[in-house]
Amino acid sequence: GAGVSQSPRYKVTKRGQDVALRCDPISGHVSLYWYRQALGQGPEFLTYFNYEAQQDKSGLPNDRFSAERPEGSISTLTIQRTEQRDSAMYRCASALWDLTEAFFGQGTRLTVV
Amino acid sequence: KQEVTQIPAALSVPEGENLVLNCSFTDSAIYNLQWFRQDPGKGLTSLLLIQSSQREQTSGRLNASLDKSSGRSTLYIAASQPGDSATYLCAVRRLSTGANSKLTFGKGITLSVRP
Repeated sequence: GAGVSQSPRYKVTKRGQDVALRCDPISGHVSLYWYRQALGQGPEFLTYFNYEAQQDKSGLPNDRFSAERPEGSISTLTIQRTEQRDSAMYRCASALWDLTEAFFGQGTRLTVV
Repeated sequence: KQEVTQIPAALSVPEGENLVLNCSFTDSAIYNLQWFRQDPGKGLTSLLLIQSSQREQTSGRLNASLDKSSGRSTLYIAASQPGDSATYLCAVRRLSTGANSKLTFGKGITLSVRP
């Protein structure tokens, strides 16, 4: 596609439910990143992939968070048993390959009530 | 641990003014630095990428400089316009072996250009 596409744009979920956030990167981009951004803060790194391989998951806050990119294209970030503190903007980015310019999608605004 | 600081948090200027946005980082061992623009309710738009071997990059009215040894980058905006109003974020990639592709962001500078 022309840009990085994230869905849904907005998600409201009840505490304790599981949510799956989707990212469709720019076609041909090898690297895919997930970030989380709180209001008034810069994005914070969660995890990233080269192709289907998860390279670094050091930013995932706890084991309720997981991500996959099974075919090296679309990625899903899953949050299990959501808590109110998980409410944030979740951003996905892709890059042609490691260390090159990153392009971000419009993000998914997650609200846990 | 890399820390990125952008001061001030907010800036208001009259239209037409040339301005400089500052970014500082604690670890000078960086691979590259990227400037982004963030508009409310929208994604981050990449403005400029500077490699560690470069001193500056230009795109239109924007010029970004990098002084790796002092841990600083500046984004210069010439002849500012109301449409430049947005939050500007800088982000750095660390230079190291192994998995190191993540960007570390500052909190951003919210710019308001008054007509």
